[in-house]
Amino acid sequence: DAKTTQPPSMDCAEGRAANLPCNHSTISGNEYVYWYRQIHSQGPQYIIHGLKNNETNEMASLIITEDRKSSTLILPHATLRDTAVYYCIALYTGNQFYFGTGTSLTVIP
Amino acid sequence: DGGITQSPKYLFRKEGQNVTLSCEQNLNHDAMYWYRQDPGQGLRLIYYSQIVNDFQKGDIAEGYSVSREKKESFPLTVTSAQKNPTAFYLCASSRGWAQVIQYFGAGTRLSVL
Repeated sequence: DAKTTQPPSMDCAEGRAANLPCNHSTISGNEYVYWYRQIHSQGPQYIIHGLKNNETNEMASLIITEDRKSSTLILPHATLRDTAVYYCIALYTGNQFYFGTGTSLTVIP
Repeated sequence: DGGITQSPKYLFRKEGQNVTLSCEQNLNHDAMYWYRQDPGQGLRLIYYSQIVNDFQKGDIAEGYSVSREKKESFPLTVTSAQKNPTAFYLCASSRGWAQVIQYFGAGTRLSVL
C-alpha cells in the first residue's frame, strides 16, 4: 500500500473552505484514496473515498490529481465541529487500513 | 439507533490483572476489528474477525486475546502479559472484511493503577 504524507496541522476560519492536502506519490493504479476523521477522544468517521475521478458527498469533496500522486479533501464551509484529525489512506481494496498521524485541523471562530 | 457500543468508557487495570473490553454492534456486520491508539499516534490493528468463530492477529496482538462467539459481539481481553496497556482502544465493524467504510465505537480508555 502506498505511503501518504500530510501536513501535521492546519487552521481554517469558520465558514471558509478547508483544503486538506495529501501526497501519495507512490500510489499504484488500483489503490483507492480514503479519508477518515477523528474528533478528539472519539472513534474515526469515514468521510469519502475515490480512485481516479473527483468525488463529492454530503460531507466533503475529494479532488484527485490527474497523475493520482496527490489529493485534496475539501470541506466547503468549515464549522467548529469540523475540528478534528483527518487521515488520508491509500491502499488496495481488501487490505487492512493503516491510520497514520494525519492532519490536525483547527477551525477558528 | 444502529451502531457500535463500547464499554466501559474508562477502565483501570491493576498489575497482573486481566481486563475485558466489551464491543457490541447491531449493524449486522460480519467483520469486526480492535485497534489501539497511543497519544498523538495513529491506530494500530490488534485483532480482527471476518466471521463468527474466526479471528486473526493484527500487527500488535501480543498480550491480547479475543473471542467471536456471536456476530454482534467481539470482546477484547488485555492480559497481564501486555506490559504497556495504557492506551485508547477502539472497536470497529464493517459489512465485510476490509470494506471501505468501517464504523467505530466511542472507545475505551485503559489506564494502569
